[in-house]
Formats: sequence, C-alpha cells, structure tokens
Amino acid sequence: RKEVEQDPGPFNVPEGATVAFNCTYSNSASQSFFWYRQDCRKEPKLLMSVYSSGNEDGRFTAQLNRASQYISLLIRDSKLSDSATYLCVVNGTGGFKTIFGAGTRLFVKA
Amino acid sequence: SQTIHQWPATLVQPVGSPLSLECTVEGTSNPNLYWYRQAAGRGLQLLFYSVGIGQISSEVPQNLSASRPQDRQFILSSKKLLLSDSGFYLCAWSGRQGHYGYTFGSGTRLTVV
Repeated sequence: RKEVEQDPGPFNVPEGATVAFNCTYSNSASQSFFWYRQDCRKEPKLLMSVYSSGNEDGRFTAQLNRASQYISLLIRDSKLSDSATYLCVVNGTGGFKTIFGAGTRLFVKA
Repeated sequence: SQTIHQWPATLVQPVGSPLSLECTVEGTSNPNLYWYRQAAGRGLQLLFYSVGIGQISSEVPQNLSASRPQDRQFILSSKKLLLSDSGFYLCAWSGRQGHYGYTFGSGTRLTVV
C-alpha cells in the first residue's frame, strides 16, 4: 500500500459543479495534512492546511478523518481557473517525513 | 516575508555533462531544505533533504549529489548527466517540523539530450 494514495482522475466537470477529492494515508502517526495545487509546468503551491475540525476557505472545504485515515477536498461552484492537479500531502514527525500524493487532475470546462 | 529563488528556469544539457542547480532562501533562518524531482506526468520524488549546513540526507541512490554550503543555500550537482536525469527539479524549504507545509521554488526544467 502506498503511503499516500489519491485517485489520479482526471475529473472532468462543468463550470459551477461541486467536485470532491479523497486521499488516504497509511501512517496513523501522521500529524499535519495539506492540499497543494499544481498548475501545468509550475511548482506546487499550498492551497490549504487540513485541520481535525475541518476548515473552509471560500469555495474550498477540507476535512480530516483520523479514524479512517483519509482527507478530502471539496470544491464548490467550480471555475475554469480551478483546472489543475491537486496534491494531497501528509507530514509525519519532522519536515522530511512529508509524503506527497501523486495528484488528482481536474479539468473544469465551460 | 520568506522567498525562495531557484535558477535556471530551463536547462538543456548533453549526456555526460556536469550539472549545478542553485537554490537560495530569504527571510528565514535554519530552514529545512529539499530537492525534489518530478518526471513528466508523475509525482514528486524526494532526492535530498538538509536540516543544517553540511548536513545532507539522500533518499534515492543516483548520480546526483547535494550540498549546503550556507544556511540558506542548497545546491544540486552531478558530475555526468544521464538521459534519465531529465525532469522538473524543485527546491523547497520548510520550518523545522514541516507543520506549516513546504514552499517551493519555481523549478528548473532539465532536458538531457
């Protein structure tokens, strides 16, 4: 089993749709969780941290389920500009224990 | 505010030539520093990380090496490039525990021909 697993997609959705990505992780001792966004041929950029109580940033909602060891990202009212690859990131003890998922491709179409 | 600089942005090198990629961080001290590689259409592969000057840990055996001559400088090198070294190289920094995530440089796209 991979340490961090994501559905590679691609997810093809129309503008205005709601789309959800899930990610599972294998290390129950993981402490920090993030979603990153990577545009084509660009560096990954931090989209949002994921907190145990769940958190929201505008159209984006992140949730963490420690018991089931998965995190999710919900995007509401999708925009064309949301088209990108979304990386699930899990950090254990010490920054160098950070594991990046392979990413989920999202295409939002007009 | 913290910034990370990485150069060059693109590089085309012949097989067997040397490589030197440089990364510098500003606005923070004692960062953890990382080199990642991303092959086309693939995920991020951690190559090296450093928790301090002269302290380098390698994650994957290869013909690459890394050095950290100064607190906020991280260098990726190779004496002889292979075709398989082609990829997108990303430098990143984080705080000591990485609990606030990583910040990546803009990357170097290396093509070995």
